[in-house]
Amino acid sequence: AQRVTQPEKLLSVFKGAPVELKCNYSYSGSPELFWYVQYSRQRLQLLLRHISRESIKGFTADLNKGETSFHLKKPFAQEEDSAMYYCAPISSNTGKLIFGQGTTLQVKP
Amino acid sequence: NAGVTQTPKFRILKIGQSMTLQCTQDMNHNYMYWYRQDPGMGLKLIYYSVGAGITDKGEVPNGYNVSRSTTEDFPLRLELAAPSQTSVYFCASSLPRGGLTDTQYFGPGTRLTVL
Repeated sequence: AQRVTQPEKLLSVFKGAPVELKCNYSYSGSPELFWYVQYSRQRLQLLLRHISRESIKGFTADLNKGETSFHLKKPFAQEEDSAMYYCAPISSNTGKLIFGQGTTLQVKP
Repeated sequence: NAGVTQTPKFRILKIGQSMTLQCTQDMNHNYMYWYRQDPGMGLKLIYYSVGAGITDKGEVPNGYNVSRSTTEDFPLRLELAAPSQTSVYFCASSLPRGGLTDTQYFGPGTRLTVL
């Protein structure tokens, strides 16, 4: 079965510290991967996608096919980064997003 | 553009009651989706639609029905509400891109409690 795992429910760091939100997937082939974010009192929105190889709000995510991971990283966390983050691969077979359980990032001052 | 709108924001149902969750998008997106999110869990796909008149089941369709008579609207129907359907429901839409779904735009969610 195709699965995506975000092993940490809560990640708490201090402002200025590096952040890594983990995501592992069990898809075969070449999945397309996304990170979605939900800030407090806002709707879920796209943060970044691996195919664009972009950096959004200082976040980057590298696809590691060998480890089947797509971890989200930021070198210096800011308080405004506090939110719920979801890793979401798309299966090339079904074309549908599968969401991980989500990780709450808490950045303390 | 309002984007994706959902009504109602909150609803409490009694077991066995029925209701329709409304979802409308004004971005002329072909694809629309319904997800549910249970506490501590990720979003699970209930139903989706690739265009008016076309719907298909997702991962957890039991107890729900959908219709897509227009591009803009994608209502979700609960016929016989059960406590297991207590959840937050999200509607989303996207443009198709090369056979794969593009960025999904989400509504604000409907919090449903079944007692």
